[in-house]
Amino acid sequence: AQTVTQSQPEMSVQEAETVTLSCTYDTSESDYYLFWYKQPPSRQMILVIRQEAYKQQNATENRFSVNFQKAAKSFSLKISDSQLGDAAMYFCAYRSNYFSGAGSYQLTFGKGTKLSVIP
Amino acid sequence: GAGVSQSPSNKVTEKGKDVELRCDPISGHTALYWYRQSLGQGLEFLIYFQGNSAPDKSGLPSDRFSAERTGGSVSTLTIQRTQQEDSAVYLCASSPGTGGSNQPQHFGDGTRLSIL
Repeated sequence: AQTVTQSQPEMSVQEAETVTLSCTYDTSESDYYLFWYKQPPSRQMILVIRQEAYKQQNATENRFSVNFQKAAKSFSLKISDSQLGDAAMYFCAYRSNYFSGAGSYQLTFGKGTKLSVIP
Repeated sequence: GAGVSQSPSNKVTEKGKDVELRCDPISGHTALYWYRQSLGQGLEFLIYFQGNSAPDKSGLPSDRFSAERTGGSVSTLTIQRTQQEDSAVYLCASSPGTGGSNQPQHFGDGTRLSIL
C-alpha cells in the first residue's frame, strides 16, 4: 500500500514571498501520478498541479511549481509571490497508474498542510 | 451541471439515525469516488463507481455504510445507525472514462455530517 506524508501541519508566509511545502511518499511502483490539491474553507478540493512519474521535468503552473525527486520519493510544492488567496489547506496525493483489477484509481492523500499568508 | 454537486451541504443528526448523502457528478463522467475527511485527517477513500457498478468498495469502514449509483449519474451514500465517529466531511469526486491515465478527479464541496 502507498503512503503519503506531509511533515508540516502548518506553515506561514509573508505576502509576495516564496514558500515550499514538503511531501514524501512510499511506493514500490514506478508508474504513478502525484498531485497537489488546495482546499479553502469552502471545502472544495481544487487541483493545483500534477506530475507524472515518468516525466523528469518538474511541472509548473503559473506561480506554482514542484520539485519532484523520484529516487528520494519527494514531491514538494513551491508557491512564488504568495497571495492572500493562497491561504488554504494543501494536500499532496498519490495515484497509481496500474490497473488494479478493480479498476479503481483512487487517490491516497497526506494529512495536509495549513498555509497562512501574512499581509 | 458545471461541477460536482453534493447535498445537503451540512447535516446534523442524532446517533442511531440513518442518513443519506447525495452526489451529482459532472455530466458525462463515468467514474465516481466517495472520500471521507475526518477532523485533522487527510481524505480516505471509501468507494469507487464505474457507471452503475462498484468494483472497489474496499474503503467502506463497516457494513453500516453502503452506496449506490443509478443511471450512471447520481450516487447516494447511506450510513445506517450512525455513530459519533461517523462525523466527518464526505467528499465526492468524478472523472471521465475509467479515471485512469492523467484524468484528474473533480471534487464537490462536500457534506459536513455531525452526529450528536
